[in-house]
Amino acid sequence: SQTIHQWPATLVQPVGSPLSLECTVEGTSNPNLYWYRQAAGRGLQLLFYSVGIGQISSEVPQNLSASRPQDRQFILSSKKLLLSDSGFYLCAWNWGLENTEAFFGQGTRLTVV
Amino acid sequence: GQQVMQIPQYQHVQEGEDFTTYCNSSTTLSNIQWYKQRPGGHPVFLIQLVKSGEVKKQKRLTFQFGEAKKNSSLHITATQTTDVGTYFCAESYGGSQGNLIFGKGTKLSVKP
Repeated sequence: SQTIHQWPATLVQPVGSPLSLECTVEGTSNPNLYWYRQAAGRGLQLLFYSVGIGQISSEVPQNLSASRPQDRQFILSSKKLLLSDSGFYLCAWNWGLENTEAFFGQGTRLTVV
Repeated sequence: GQQVMQIPQYQHVQEGEDFTTYCNSSTTLSNIQWYKQRPGGHPVFLIQLVKSGEVKKQKRLTFQFGEAKKNSSLHITATQTTDVGTYFCAESYGGSQGNLIFGKGTKLSVKP
């Protein structure tokens, strides 16, 4: 069966510090991978998606970047965090087929102070 | 860009009452997916509707896709405390890219 791991679960970082969130998927190959952000009490906003190694597409301009160094590894980064980067970050994957559901990781709650 | 509007934003019900959340779009939806997010948790896929007028049931949950494929609803009969959470509708777009555009969700609280 397929599993998705995301860490850390919670993170408190000072403004201006770097960020690295990691997500790995097991039990499948060549998945589509996604990073979403959920602000408090709001819906999910797609930040980045990847259909293959080294292929990253950004949905919204922001202070973050993403990388996919391996087939089942997806990393969300920032060189300098802003207060507005606080939120709940969710990694997700799907089969890369039309009309298939997304499977989400447990999420990382990031607080920038 | 595409938008999926979801109402209501919040719903408070007494245990045993019914609950409905609605999802609307100004454009024709290719499909609609429904997710549930428990407090402090991550979204979990519930169901997908693709066909015009489609109705699917999962125990006490009934999902409908409008005839014009511009709206959808999730109805819960006789809510229980385990139904607490936020329910999101989402449209998958971009073909095999599988990107999802989510509604803002309906947060359901159930008073025992």
